[in-house]
Amino acid sequence: KQEVTQIPAALSVPEGENLVLNCSFTDSAIYNLQWFRQDPGKGLTSLLLIQSSQREQTSGRLNASLDKSSGRSTLYIAASQPGDSATYLCAVKWRDSSYKLIFGSGTRLLVRP
Amino acid sequence: NAGVTQTPKFRVLKTGQSMTLLCAQDMNHEYMYWYRQDPGMGLRLIHYSVGEGTTAKGEVPDGYNVSRLKKQNFLLGLESAAPSQTSVYFCASSNRRGGLPPSSYNEQFFGPGTRLTVL
Repeated sequence: KQEVTQIPAALSVPEGENLVLNCSFTDSAIYNLQWFRQDPGKGLTSLLLIQSSQREQTSGRLNASLDKSSGRSTLYIAASQPGDSATYLCAVKWRDSSYKLIFGSGTRLLVRP
Repeated sequence: NAGVTQTPKFRVLKTGQSMTLLCAQDMNHEYMYWYRQDPGMGLRLIHYSVGEGTTAKGEVPDGYNVSRLKKQNFLLGLESAAPSQTSVYFCASSNRRGGLPPSSYNEQFFGPGTRLTVL
């Protein structure tokens, strides 16, 4: 069964700290992997999309890496700020799953001032 | 450029009532999707469409119907609402392979959600 797991479920860090969020997935035959941010009561905002042929993507203070062989992706947030507090979701599209995105359950991040 | 919009934002229904959720996108995307998000269950795909006039079932399609009469709109219908359909519903859209830039193939963009309560 194709599954996406995110650990930890919740994370609390002091402002300014660099942090890593983890996403693991079964079956390395992925099409792409997408990281989203979700604020309470809001929709999902796409942060980064990594195609299967790529190893990493960067946007500002965010860097996402992809290691298909080990079934892992990490989202690195540099110099965290209170405004980064949100739930971060990882989602995978597998090659044999048509158009379906499989989501992890998310990591709820709190950055303390 | 509004992206993906959803109406209504909130709705309360009684068991057995019907309603339609509207999703609209102005990015000329071919693909559109309906998800539901429930605590502890994550987001799950209800139905999707790969183009005007086409629809297909996702993971949890029972109790829902959809229509894609226009490329920019994707409607989700509940014919007879049940308390189990209490959820937050999200619409999303994406371009198809061949869209530009190539690095954005199938990147999904989400609407703000509709919070539905069925009593």
